[in-house]
Amino acid sequence: GAVVSQHPSRVICKSGTSVKIECRSLDFQATTMFWYRQFPKQSLMLMATSNEGSKATYEQGVEKDKFLINHASLTLSTLTVTSAHPEDSSFYICSAPGGGYNQPQHFGDGTRLSIL
Amino acid sequence: GQQVMQIPQYQHVQEGEDFTTYCNSSTTLSNIQWYKQRPGGHPVFLIQLVKSGEVKKQKRLTFQFGEAKKNSSLHITATQTTDVGTYFCATQGGSEKLVFGKGTKLTVNP
Repeated sequence: GAVVSQHPSRVICKSGTSVKIECRSLDFQATTMFWYRQFPKQSLMLMATSNEGSKATYEQGVEKDKFLINHASLTLSTLTVTSAHPEDSSFYICSAPGGGYNQPQHFGDGTRLSIL
Repeated sequence: GQQVMQIPQYQHVQEGEDFTTYCNSSTTLSNIQWYKQRPGGHPVFLIQLVKSGEVKKQKRLTFQFGEAKKNSSLHITATQTTDVGTYFCATQGGSEKLVFGKGTKLTVNP
């Protein structure tokens, strides 16, 4: 079945560091990918929609200059958390649609980001 | 935008007891998807319901979509310790992006 690979799985770094997270679709092409953030004991909140060949679409309240998204190819989207601070510590998960509307999402394993 | 309300937030059962989580919306939903997330893991797709009144079963799991397509439920019969995790309902509101419910965290006492 469709597989989405997300890397790294865990990051621990100092405040002020920028962190890049990669999301790859391994055996299918994804013109669209989604980035979610999940705080402890909470649900997944959509941050942005990554679009191959065009700008990402950000959800209300998400700072686009803080969370840079690049969809470099049909199989790769990256999320860069710029100048990360402790409040950015969270579980970040990407997903890719299974091929159109009414199809399940295929999720990456997630990245647990801890900012000291 | 479209929202789905999910209850209960937590459910603790003894192994062998049944479990149900409910998802409700004030608007008609085009579909409902159910996901399971184990502690420390990522959401895993369980099933999708599209038709009014649809009922689907996966072994001990029964999924229902209401006649008005405004509510859905996931029922687990005779829970096992392997059922622990958080169960999310989610819907696609006219695009491919998913809107998730808050989830129901299930713990099972052996």
